[in-house]
Amino acid sequence: NAGVTQTPKFQVLKTGQSMTLQCAQDMNHNSMYWYRQDPGMGLRLIYYSASEGTTDKGEVPNGYNVSRLNKREFSLRLESAAPSQTSVYFCASSSAAAYSPLHFGNGTRLTVT
Amino acid sequence: DQQVKQNSPSLSVQEGRISILNCDYTNSMFDYFLWYKKYPAEGPTFLISISSIKDKNEDGRFTVFLNKSAKHLSLHIVPSQPGDSAVYFCAAPRDSGYALNFGKGTSLLVTP
Repeated sequence: NAGVTQTPKFQVLKTGQSMTLQCAQDMNHNSMYWYRQDPGMGLRLIYYSASEGTTDKGEVPNGYNVSRLNKREFSLRLESAAPSQTSVYFCASSSAAAYSPLHFGNGTRLTVT
Repeated sequence: DQQVKQNSPSLSVQEGRISILNCDYTNSMFDYFLWYKKYPAEGPTFLISISSIKDKNEDGRFTVFLNKSAKHLSLHIVPSQPGDSAVYFCAAPRDSGYALNFGKGTSLLVTP
C-alpha cells in the first residue's frame, strides 16, 4: 500500500532552472495539497486541489504553479527556481469527508543554488 | 499571521515520564484540531484529533486536552518512550474547510 508517492526525493537546481515535482496517491482521495517545510516555519500551504479539476492558492503560492492531472496526480512546477525556494516539499491527500486527516508523502528535498 | 502557535521549539523528557506539548490558537471559530508526528526524512503522520464539542480525547498513551476558553490545547504522552522522539505539529482546518494550518512544531527528545 504505497499511499502518497513523491518524486524525486532529492533535487539540486541552479537559479533560473525549472522543474516539476510529481505526486501520486492510490487511496482514491478527492483532495490533494502541496506544502513546504522550512526550519522554524512549520508547514506552509502552497496550493491545494479540493477535487479533480480545481486548484486554489494557499499561503505561499508565489513562484509556483500546479496541475491536477487526474484524481491520482497533483504536480507542482517551479518555472524559474530561486534560492528562497530551497525547502522540503510535501504532497498530501485527503478524502472528501469533512476534516479528514491529511496523508503525507515522504517529501522532496530541493536545493536551489 | 499564524493562527496556530506552538511556542516551544523543543522539549526534552526522560523515558517513562510525561511529555506535554502545547498549542495555542487565535481563531475562536476553529472547531477541530489535529496533532501530527514527524520523523526525520519522513512525511508527517496523523496522531490524534479532537473536536471542540469535547475537552479530552484519548488514544493509548496519547491524550489531547482542549481548553476553549483559553484557546489552548495540549498533547500528553504517558509514559514517554525513546521512539516518541520526533517533531510534533498542532493543526486546525483552514477557513476553506480544506487543508490545514500548522503550527511551527515542537521537537521532542525522549532520553533513556
